[in-house]
Amino acid sequence: EPEVTQTPSHQVTQMGQEVILRCVPISNHLYFYWYRQILGQKVEFLVSFYNNEISEKSEIFDDQFSVERPDGSNFTLKIRSTKLEDSAMYFCASGYDYEQYFGPGTRLTVT
Amino acid sequence: GQQVMQIPQYQHVQEGEDFTTYCNSSTTLSNIQWYKQRPGGHPVFLIQLVKSGEVKKQKRLTFQFGEAKKNSSLHITATQTTDVGTYFCAGRGTGGFKTIFGAGTRLFVKA
Repeated sequence: EPEVTQTPSHQVTQMGQEVILRCVPISNHLYFYWYRQILGQKVEFLVSFYNNEISEKSEIFDDQFSVERPDGSNFTLKIRSTKLEDSAMYFCASGYDYEQYFGPGTRLTVT
Repeated sequence: GQQVMQIPQYQHVQEGEDFTTYCNSSTTLSNIQWYKQRPGGHPVFLIQLVKSGEVKKQKRLTFQFGEAKKNSSLHITATQTTDVGTYFCAGRGTGGFKTIFGAGTRLFVKA
């Protein structure tokens, strides 16, 4: 069964550094999403992406964040200058319709 | 902005007992989805409800969507230890891609 994959599984970075989190969505899906989950808290919507552009973003998704779909398979989230409070699990999700299939996540630790 | 409340935060049950979690949105939803997240895992899509008053069943799980499309519930009959995890509802407003997750209900099942 096809799955969403994410790399790396864990990323440790220093405050102020740029990070790129990578995702390979399920191949025939049209909608792509990034979420974050701070340890023990709820899943928070960051951004949705459809038809090669951002369709919606939350207030969390400020100028420090950007997304790209550089080719037909990858979907990336870039954080330009990480802050301590960016430490969280970042989930990519994709879907053909309303349902969303989540990847295993990337744990980002900012020190 | 749109908010999705979910109660209870935690529920401890004896194996074989029933369990229900409730979800309430501040605004009318176009659809609601339910996800299960095991400790250390990622959200796994369970089901999506779209129609007012809709009821769907998956084995021991019963999902309901309210008539006003602002509330929903998940009921598990005769819980098993494999049901442990956090159950999240996630609602999408009309005309948008943003999905708002509830805080989740963490289910503990004692054998």
